[in-house]
Amino acid sequence: GDSVTQMEGPVTLSEEAFLTINCTYTATGYPSLFWYVQYPGEGLQLLLKATKADDKGSNKGFEATYRKETTSFHLEKGSVQVSDSAVYFCALMGLVGTYKYIFGTGTRLKVLA
Amino acid sequence: GAVVSQHPSWVICKSGTSVKIECRSLDFQATTMFWYRQFPKQSLMLMATSNEGSKATYEQGVEKDKFLINHASLTLSTLTVTSAHPEDSSFYICSARGVAGAYRDEQFFGPGTRLTVL
Repeated sequence: GDSVTQMEGPVTLSEEAFLTINCTYTATGYPSLFWYVQYPGEGLQLLLKATKADDKGSNKGFEATYRKETTSFHLEKGSVQVSDSAVYFCALMGLVGTYKYIFGTGTRLKVLA
Repeated sequence: GAVVSQHPSWVICKSGTSVKIECRSLDFQATTMFWYRQFPKQSLMLMATSNEGSKATYEQGVEKDKFLINHASLTLSTLTVTSAHPEDSSFYICSARGVAGAYRDEQFFGPGTRLTVL
């Protein structure tokens, strides 16, 4: 079945460092891919998405490119801030007609001042 | 647009009581709503898919009689945790998928409800 694999955290970075959180997926067909962010005690907020191969999603300085050849959707940011500290979830919506999401396990990011 | 609310945001109850959690799509109609459960420092686990006007579809291992789901309108779904026990303590998150356009192609998440059963 469909699945999402994320790099394990926690990831600890200094402010202004470069961030990469790896995400790879297994799916039949052509899933849509998402990155969500969850701040402590809150629900999920959509960070960015891509619906087809080679699409690049971007928002708030974060970027991710849908790479079908490597089945990846890695999240990147050039310069992280303390306020970026949160848990990041990669997800896919694959099964046609069900609109179900498959989530990765989440990666906790801690940015130090 | 695409705002989903949940009520209550947190609830504490005694063991053996039932708790109802509401999920509302505030500015769009949601044909499908999803209920997730999240344990501390873990990912979201899909519990069930709720379609307006029909019975919910539960994921394997989720007790239908314990987690009652009702999707009575295009803007409201409820999750009732019946005879709650401490092991039901968790963060419950709902999401909604809209009828058409961009609202149809992704899920919009509520802020979550933290349930603590004493």
